[in-house]
Amino acid sequence: DTAVSQTPKYLVTQMGNDKSIKCEQNLGHDTMYWYKQDSKKFLKIMFSYNNKELIINETVPNRFSPKSPDKAHLNLHINSLELGDSAVYFCASSQDERALYFGPGTRLTVT
Amino acid sequence: KQEVTQIPAALSVPEGENLVLNCSFTDSAIYNLQWFRQDPGKGLTSLLLIQSSQREQTSGRLNASLDKSSGRSTLYIAASQPGDSATYLCAVRQSDYKLSFGAGTTVTVRA
Repeated sequence: DTAVSQTPKYLVTQMGNDKSIKCEQNLGHDTMYWYKQDSKKFLKIMFSYNNKELIINETVPNRFSPKSPDKAHLNLHINSLELGDSAVYFCASSQDERALYFGPGTRLTVT
Repeated sequence: KQEVTQIPAALSVPEGENLVLNCSFTDSAIYNLQWFRQDPGKGLTSLLLIQSSQREQTSGRLNASLDKSSGRSTLYIAASQPGDSATYLCAVRQSDYKLSFGAGTTVTVRA
């Protein structure tokens, strides 16, 4: 009965590789987000989708490409991974502007 | 640009003491404010959501107040327990679907 789930939980990869993180929510929410938490634990929004449409696209390198095949899914694809991409990536969802619900996070380590 | 500050960055108290966590924000044009808890290596759990028209919200031992005009929110945790040890984050939502997070206050409750 997980509300917001992400896979994988851990991802270790080498520089230059391409990887994807998947997110699914079963709350029926219409808005989904990707957040990045850096080593100082600061959370910063990357993208937001509302009903499969991109509504927020922060200053993120274009190596990061989100895709929302339907309202319940928001995947994050990262090309040409760099050391600085190492972080914890959180998916979240909300209904309109109500409370935000987070997934468990994906810890990405780029070596 | 909204800036959210949480002071102190860390707090250590003996069990049973009341906790007071502060959050301040620079732009008072907010839609709501949400308090989260994050345990080490885990995702964020929503604690309380206060709409901009509200002054406070309560849930069990937790009480959050909001003073929009002065750009402040305070989270009170009564009779702290070791299980309350975690990082507490506040997030301010503006009407454009964007949440701005503080860096968090890491709380340690000593048994």
